[in-house]
Amino acid sequence: AQSVTQLGSHVSVSEGALVLLRCNYSSSVPPYLFWYVQYPNQGLQLLLKYTSAATLVKGINGFEAEFKKSETSFHLTKPSAHMSDAAEYFCAVSDPGTYKYIFGTGTRLKVLA
Amino acid sequence: DSGVTQTPKHLITATGQRVTLRCSPRSGDLSVYWYQQSLDQGLQFLIQYYNGEERAKGNILERFSAQQFPDLHSELNLSSLELGDSALYFCASSPRLAGNTGELFFGEGSRLTVL
Repeated sequence: AQSVTQLGSHVSVSEGALVLLRCNYSSSVPPYLFWYVQYPNQGLQLLLKYTSAATLVKGINGFEAEFKKSETSFHLTKPSAHMSDAAEYFCAVSDPGTYKYIFGTGTRLKVLA
Repeated sequence: DSGVTQTPKHLITATGQRVTLRCSPRSGDLSVYWYQQSLDQGLQFLIQYYNGEERAKGNILERFSAQQFPDLHSELNLSSLELGDSALYFCASSPRLAGNTGELFFGEGSRLTVL
């Protein structure tokens, strides 16, 4: 079964610093991978998605993620953190075989002034 | 606004009771997914429907059931409630089946508190 693992349930960065949120996937077939963001008291919304077209994927709000098959990783990065980036971030994988859409446990990003 | 509507937004009930959570997907979306979000378990996939038919089942308890109606809205029924069922329940929709390359559109959730 496909799954994703997010390393670090909480990450703190200073405003202006690099954001790096880690996600590793487990899949026996080429996966479809996603990053979602959840702001307080809101539902999740899509940041970006990987669908095998390109290994470096750009998303909204300056975020990007790189698919690395050799490392089974899909880490999320942003060059310069902004206070408004404080939220919870979820990595997800979809399984075309089972129709499931599975989320990681989430990483809460805190941005320090 | 994602276009997915969930009701009620908040619900407080007692152990042993039964509740129904409702979800109206985005106009035209055929797939509906239900997730449970709690502090200790993260976002757990419960069940997925496509055009009225169950297509995938996750960690859904036997005390829980769901269905998708002909008008495509969905209901999640939670019975014999326990304290541990207190959580935020999300509904999400998409135009097609899961496992596709698309995104899910989430509602704002229904927060259930069991006392």
